[in-house]
Amino acid sequence: ETGVTQTPRHLVMGMTNKKSLKCEQHLGHNAMYWYKQSAKKPLELMFVYSLEERVENNSVPSRFSPECPNSSHLFLHLHTLQPEDSALYLCASSQEGAGMLRDTQYFGPGTRLTVL
Amino acid sequence: AQKITQTQPGMFVQEKEAVTLDCTYDTSDPSYGLFWYKQPSSGEMIFLIYQGSYDQQNATEGRYSLNFQKARKSANLVISASQLGDSAMYFCAMREGRGLTGGGNKLTFGTGTQLKVEL
Repeated sequence: ETGVTQTPRHLVMGMTNKKSLKCEQHLGHNAMYWYKQSAKKPLELMFVYSLEERVENNSVPSRFSPECPNSSHLFLHLHTLQPEDSALYLCASSQEGAGMLRDTQYFGPGTRLTVL
Repeated sequence: AQKITQTQPGMFVQEKEAVTLDCTYDTSDPSYGLFWYKQPSSGEMIFLIYQGSYDQQNATEGRYSLNFQKARKSANLVISASQLGDSAMYFCAMREGRGLTGGGNKLTFGTGTQLKVEL
C-alpha cells in the first residue's frame, strides 16, 4: 500500500538546521494532517488542511511551519528545533464527505526525526 | 479526563489463539465513530476497523471484530486466530460528531497496546 508516502524516512538535524518533511498522497483525498508521535504519548494532532486551507493548528510552536501547495502535497518546514522535538512525524489524508463520521484517515510510514 | 483509554500497555497471545484489546472512551456527543489502527515497527498506521455510534451490529473485517458495548462506552478489538504478523502496536481512536463542523477529521487516539504473538 503506497497511498501516502513520506520523505525522508529518517532525519537527524542539529538545533540550528532548517529542514523540510514531505508528504504526498495518491488517494485523491481533500484533507491532509500532520501528527507527532512521541514515546509513550498518544498521537498529537499538529495541523489539519482541508481543501488546501489550514483549519487546525493545535498550539504548535512556530518552529514548525506547514505548507500545503495542493491537495496532494503537504510539507512541514522545521527550523531551530529542540531535542524534545525528536519524534515520529506522521502524515495522513482523508476524503471529507458530507459530515460523515466514518471518513477514514490513511497514514504514511512516518519520518523518524532526531534533533541533536 | 482522557477521551480514549487503553489500559493494557502490553499483551501476549499464542499463535492461532484469539486476543481482545481493550478500549474505553468518553464523550457526551451522541454521534461518534471509533477506529482501530495497527502500527508495526515500521511506523505506518494501518486502518483496521470502524464502528459508528449508531451502528446496530458490531463491525467485522476478516479476523478483526469490534465488541461494541455502548452503555459501557467500550470498543474492544478482537483478533481471532492470531498470526505472528499481528505483532504490533494497536491504537483505538475516536471522532466526535461535533468535530464535523469547520472542516477536517479530528481523531483522538489512545496510548496504544503492544501485542506480541508467540509460537
